[in-house]
Amino acid sequence: DAGVTQSPTHLIKTRGQHVTLRCSPISGHKSVSWYQQVLGQGPQFIFQYYEKEERGRGNFPDRFSARQFPNYSSELNVNALLLGDSALYLCASRPGPQVPYTLQYFGPGTRLTVT
Amino acid sequence: ILNVEQSPQSLHVQEGDSTNFTCSFPSSNFYALHWYRWETAKSPEALFVMTLNGDEKKKGRISATLNTKEGYSYLYIKGSQPEDSATYLCAFEEKLTFGTGTRLTIIP
Repeated sequence: DAGVTQSPTHLIKTRGQHVTLRCSPISGHKSVSWYQQVLGQGPQFIFQYYEKEERGRGNFPDRFSARQFPNYSSELNVNALLLGDSALYLCASRPGPQVPYTLQYFGPGTRLTVT
Repeated sequence: ILNVEQSPQSLHVQEGDSTNFTCSFPSSNFYALHWYRWETAKSPEALFVMTLNGDEKKKGRISATLNTKEGYSYLYIKGSQPEDSATYLCAFEEKLTFGTGTRLTIIP
């Protein structure tokens, strides 16, 4: 079975531009979460989606948005890019957000560089 | 804001030695604790998710314990091997809050 996939692998954007990152979860997984990882820190939670609905949001500005599609894939959108948005963006999937809590599986990430 | 702390930040261990490190988290409103291994240029790999006080999990030479009352978890690696070199992250449910990780380097 394929794991979590993300595209693109790397991306270079200019300040003020918009970016869309994509994620396909493991087959059968209905929950997708997005994280931002800056060098030297642990991943920071951005969003969780389950069954196309937002189930959780981290402490990120409104420039960050996401959505989940009927096939459970997801997009993360960032508007008006800032230099500080440069980071590794990780997507993770799990069967669902319900108890009992299950392992979460990560994709390889998208490295975003904002110049 | 939840505070999840890991110690030490980095660790160098001789091949064959055993080692352990710590994850501290808020003891109130506990749901679950995750451990991940993250090798350079790879995806974080899920090791364990633990939910009950006193839980012990094991995967090969790696094991973990959980104390929800005092808010800590230990990760143990027995007989370290070079392939164990990685950053080990713990994360606290819900909306996984990660620690900054322990970077483990095994010296051959």
